[in-house]
Amino acid sequence: DIQMTQSPSFVSASVGDRVTITCRASQGISSWLAWYQQKPGKAPNLLIYAASSLQGGVPSRFSGSGSGTDFTLSISSLQPEDSATYYCQQGNGVPFTFGRGTKVEIK
Amino acid sequence: QVQLVESGGGVVQPGRSLRLSCAASGFTFSGYAMHWVRQAPGEGLEWLAVISYTGTNQYYTDAVRGRFTISRDNSDNTLYLQMSSLKTEDTAVYYCAKDSIFCSGGSCAFGYFDDWGHGTLVTVSS
Repeated sequence: DIQMTQSPSFVSASVGDRVTITCRASQGISSWLAWYQQKPGKAPNLLIYAASSLQGGVPSRFSGSGSGTDFTLSISSLQPEDSATYYCQQGNGVPFTFGRGTKVEIK
Repeated sequence: QVQLVESGGGVVQPGRSLRLSCAASGFTFSGYAMHWVRQAPGEGLEWLAVISYTGTNQYYTDAVRGRFTISRDNSDNTLYLQMSSLKTEDTAVYYCAKDSIFCSGGSCAFGYFDDWGHGTLVTVSS
């Protein structure tokens, strides 16, 4: 199985800050990577797919990059509503696997 | 718009069975693969199973293979997860999720999970 290693596990930042989350796959997955945002008590929401494509309706302050084994999710200017846990997921093949998540807190 | 509504969760004793349902609407259900994903209390997301748009192919994660069965009824726009030999570690919120890739024929790759239900809680406890 492909292991997805996310870091950091927790980040505390101020409104307006740039936040970057990284995800590393245990083997190459080309661009088969997605990022999800999950708020407490809610289902996850797809933000980014194919490593860098923004899902419809997602604010442009979210962006993704990377290919192969190393990927990043960036939030260019953190907003209060971005407080959530973020997960990466590899879509290269079954079993699909997620990272352990990064909790983003607003200072 | 896309709606996915799970049902069937509840409290069940270890070793027993339970069937979850996911009623889909707002999209061409028969054109998309469908997934089940779960989340144990306070934990991360775990993908469980996928079924192809026709229902012909199913794939599972090791933790549930042989105990869980994913199926679908395209005439009724419903996805199912039959769970048997339940263990306490199966306690989680179970989500159904729609695959992102529309498939109009032949063999299609699976993509990402672009729509999710609200989840249904399964508690396995004696």
